[in-house]
Amino acid sequence: DVVMTQSPLSLPVTLGQPASISCRSSQSLVYSDGHTYLNWFHQRPGQSPRRLIYKVSNRDSGVPDRFSGSGSGTEFTLKISRVEAEDVGVYYCMQGTHWPLTFGGGTKVEIK
Amino acid sequence: QVQLQQWGAGLLKPSETLSLTCAVYGASFSGYYWSWIRQSPGKGLEYIGEITHRGSTNYNPSLKSRVAISLDTSKKQFSLKLRSVTAADTAVYYCAAFGELRNHWGQGTLVTVSS
Repeated sequence: DVVMTQSPLSLPVTLGQPASISCRSSQSLVYSDGHTYLNWFHQRPGQSPRRLIYKVSNRDSGVPDRFSGSGSGTEFTLKISRVEAEDVGVYYCMQGTHWPLTFGGGTKVEIK
Repeated sequence: QVQLQQWGAGLLKPSETLSLTCAVYGASFSGYYWSWIRQSPGKGLEYIGEITHRGSTNYNPSLKSRVAISLDTSKKQFSLKLRSVTAADTAVYYCAAFGELRNHWGQGTLVTVSS
């Protein structure tokens, strides 16, 4: 299975400041069709997860543009340009290239 | 507005079959992968499997011998069955739909396996 490794595990942030989460995969996530199936999810406490980003850098409908995804191959990053209070929770990366699809262990974002 | 509403038994004994159903409101089945994902404290998020609107399925190999996902387009529902459950299957189970630009999730169902 492809192992997804996120860092940091915990990320205290100041409101209005930027934040960055890294995700590394144990294999390249480039699929045979040329696309890279790397997704980012956000889960608020007590809620279901929701996807923010798909195929590395595409925002889902309704996702604020302060969220951006980048990367290639095996190294990926989720950035929040200015953290807002509603951004707290756990962020997960997930690869959709190799079966079984696998998630990272999560990064907990909290306000300082 | 698209909504997924899921239900099923929350307490099972070892060796029983887990059965969950997810009703789809406000969306057609085409254009989405209809998925089941579970979350447990010990194993984090785990992708169980998915089904397309044509009925094509993909399953996590670790569960493949015990799992079945089906689709009932007439009822606008899709379902998960997991046979021969053990304590290791205790988790919150989510149904979800993934498409381009959009994704939707059920509210989650806590399933506990205990004798």
